[in-house]
Amino acid sequence: QQQVKQSPQSLIVQKGGISIINCAYENTAFDYFPWYQQFPGKGPALLIAIRPDVSEKKEGRFTISFNKSAKQFSLHIMDSQPGDSATYFCAAANSGGYQKVTFGIGTKLQVIP
Amino acid sequence: GAVVSQHPSRVICKSGTSVKIECRSLDFQATTMFWYRQFPKQSLMLMATSNEGSKATYEQGVEKDKFLINHASLTLSTLTVTSAHPEDSSFYICSARLRGHYNSPLHFGNGTRLTVT
Repeated sequence: QQQVKQSPQSLIVQKGGISIINCAYENTAFDYFPWYQQFPGKGPALLIAIRPDVSEKKEGRFTISFNKSAKQFSLHIMDSQPGDSATYFCAAANSGGYQKVTFGIGTKLQVIP
Repeated sequence: GAVVSQHPSRVICKSGTSVKIECRSLDFQATTMFWYRQFPKQSLMLMATSNEGSKATYEQGVEKDKFLINHASLTLSTLTVTSAHPEDSSFYICSARLRGHYNSPLHFGNGTRLTVT
């Protein structure tokens, strides 16, 4: 059972464009939603995260939009650059216990010059 | 920033042998570490939660006798793949959380690519 659904699985964007990745979740107990960036052969690195008490969080060119009622959240990468080419994972966790993180399937982003 | 070191980064072993993977938190203490497995072009699947000083908690479908986890100190957790088979070939990644910070983000190691021949 896929608790966090992510789309698209692959995305090609031109340099300077906006990359948009969408995620949806089912478990209303989730209250922490991080996004990770992974380059080939490397472990994931935390990019940005949001909690459900805010609808948007922006850090540099990266913005998370969060819709609690729809149980959806998305990552926007503004002014996409070739260096942003990587696989992006959305994730969700709850604050109880040891806060296991459940990952989406991943989106392979390619930014072309 | 918090650094998690994983060793080795790559290992090739013969079928039937055992392989140990180390995960160290270099500049912080981690009460809890998590072990993930990632197949090519797929997501990370949680295998087990490693707790310092106690038995690991395994996810459903993960064989605890095959994937032995030891968390002997606040900075080291090890995953031993016993009697490895080719189907165990995968990318294994550990992660850790700062001790006492249950809401802090996870820090990931760079993974270990295991190939069983």
